[in-house]
Amino acid sequence: GQSLEQPSEVTAVEGAIVQINCTYQTSGFYGLSWYQQHDGGAPTFLSYNALDGLEETGRFSSFLSRSDSYGYLLLQELQMKDSASYFCAVRGSSNTGKLIFGQGTTLQVKP
Amino acid sequence: DAGVTQSPTHLIKTRGQQVTLRCSPKSGHDTVSWYQQALGQGPQFIFQYYEEEERQRGNFPDRFSGHQFPNYSSELNVNALLLGDSALYLCASTRALSYEQYFGPGTRLTVT
Repeated sequence: GQSLEQPSEVTAVEGAIVQINCTYQTSGFYGLSWYQQHDGGAPTFLSYNALDGLEETGRFSSFLSRSDSYGYLLLQELQMKDSASYFCAVRGSSNTGKLIFGQGTTLQVKP
Repeated sequence: DAGVTQSPTHLIKTRGQQVTLRCSPKSGHDTVSWYQQALGQGPQFIFQYYEEEERQRGNFPDRFSGHQFPNYSSELNVNALLLGDSALYLCASTRALSYEQYFGPGTRLTVT
């Protein structure tokens, strides 16, 4: 089967750093993406890793280790507006871009 | 530049009925994917359309069908609605094989 595992909830304080882990087991792997979704809103793209290593985009960084089938999203200098659900998603096919999503991690940022 | 748009925003249907949801992709995008997101879950891939053809399909029954028009917009049709079809239906568009998918705000379908 195909599965992605991520923690269901994470809580952190404003200004702190938080890491959201994702492990995956899929029949095809062509990259790991991260999406943010506020309550009732559209998922928005945060980052993408096709190769091992760290990708940095402003306050957000994402890491991938293909040998460990593992990745994480790192959020720095947390702000209240970062409270949302975060999904890791595997690109399961090279020619269609089909995304296989995890169940999501709800991040609550407290003052 | 308008992003991905979907209509309607909300819809209430009765079990056994049929529904059509619509999606207009972001300008310049030619590929449209549909996802179903149940409450508290991650989006589940339904199918993807490219060049007016269904290119790949997820584990959804034939009650779910779709169409893509020459202007790249797309429709999702669901027949014989079940209570379990209640969910947020998301449309995502992308340009060819780009890894970044742009999602619309979704259509909230409630089946009673």
